[in-house]
Amino acid sequence: GQQLNQSPQSMFIQEGEDVSMNCTSSSIFNTWLWYKQDPGEGPVLLIALYKAGELTSNGRLTAQFGITRKDSFLNISASIPSDVGIYFCAGQEGGSEKLVFGKGTKLTVNP
Amino acid sequence: GAVVSQHPSRVICKSGTSVKIECRSLDFQATTMFWYRQFPKQSLMLMATSNEGSKATYEQGVEKDKFLINHASLTLSTLTVTSAHPEDSSFYICSAFADRVTGELFFGEGSRLTVL
Repeated sequence: GQQLNQSPQSMFIQEGEDVSMNCTSSSIFNTWLWYKQDPGEGPVLLIALYKAGELTSNGRLTAQFGITRKDSFLNISASIPSDVGIYFCAGQEGGSEKLVFGKGTKLTVNP
Repeated sequence: GAVVSQHPSRVICKSGTSVKIECRSLDFQATTMFWYRQFPKQSLMLMATSNEGSKATYEQGVEKDKFLINHASLTLSTLTVTSAHPEDSSFYICSAFADRVTGELFFGEGSRLTVL
């Protein structure tokens, strides 16, 4: 099925560093969602975005819905060890209930 | 936040047997639930859309006779892997919209199926 282009595929950072990851699509989306998945668990919703240009924060996490509606980024500030996991972006096209997922960004935080 | 629960979290079965996985919305009603399959180190791939009171809608390439979906109530959808084989071993995850308007989709904890 269709997938978003999510990058980077993996990141290795030191504790305290900031992280940025993004997703792009050839299609316009009405909704962008960012999830985190820990090993053996289902994805957990981090941030939901509904309007082009929208910038939303959730603690140390900030995400933006791109103006073109074809991209979104997620920033994590001052990373901590528990931030490790796989982060997925997901987009929802207008008129469809289905979510299209990115391939994920695996984050490793070294203490 | 909204809670979606799956059961069992892990199941091991012999080849040729059938396995049922349950997905429940605990604090909201879900007329639509989604079933995903996730292979190791890969993203989630939508298998089917489960509709309460009607037939499920399967994605292209997903065998509906192999993966039986029943959505008998507003809080329960089941996925039955029939005549399971080792290649069916995977992580199966369900999800549901807590709010159709906002599009916020919440996921279950996932079910790890291992077919011997």
